[in-house]
Amino acid sequence: DADVTQTPRNRITKTGKRIMLECSQTKGHDRMYWYRQDPGLGLRLIYYSFDVKDINKGEISDGYSVSRQAQAKFSLSLESAIPNQTALYFCATSDETGADTQYFGPGTRLTVL
Amino acid sequence: SQKIEQNSEALNIQEGKTATLTCNYTNYSPAYLQWYRQDPGRGPVFLLLIRENEKEKRKERLKVTFDTTLKQSLFHITASQPADSATYLCALAPSNTGKLIFGQGTTLQVKP
Repeated sequence: DADVTQTPRNRITKTGKRIMLECSQTKGHDRMYWYRQDPGLGLRLIYYSFDVKDINKGEISDGYSVSRQAQAKFSLSLESAIPNQTALYFCATSDETGADTQYFGPGTRLTVL
Repeated sequence: SQKIEQNSEALNIQEGKTATLTCNYTNYSPAYLQWYRQDPGRGPVFLLLIRENEKEKRKERLKVTFDTTLKQSLFHITASQPADSATYLCALAPSNTGKLIFGQGTTLQVKP
């Protein structure tokens, strides 16, 4: 089984809808991250969490919120989706003893119409 | 401003040749630099890490160099194969932040 899983894998939604993307990991890592990837812009950090009680904004957090429900679960919400949030979203985990090497999920392709 | 840059143009090479990808950065003092491979529609996969006090690191056909004076890392794939075709991302870790900053990636195409 995959160490980092994301659901859903693909989602098409309409402007104004609330969307939740979920991430689960079995690696036992404390640190979890949410990124979005757009063509030509690379991976950009949305939010990150170093443990269950720690949530931090990343480079592009506006329009997004997160919840760290447990060590293994980190969800990303778009409260009111807009078309420019159409992107590929990745969850990642890292072990604080591992030089921040990150382990990525398979991604969620989100389209906002 | 802080930047990390990789060649945006795709690199096309013939099978068997050595591919060399470049990662340049400005206004960072990274504790280490990492390289990832990403296949289309999939998440990046970690390949190699090199620390600021290391000049070179090897893993099978992969070699990474790190020049903190030039603020540059080079990623080499020797005896390249069509299966090496992918996008390669460099990422650096500013000291003690717990975060990685990713470059945009360079797409490598190895032709048979």
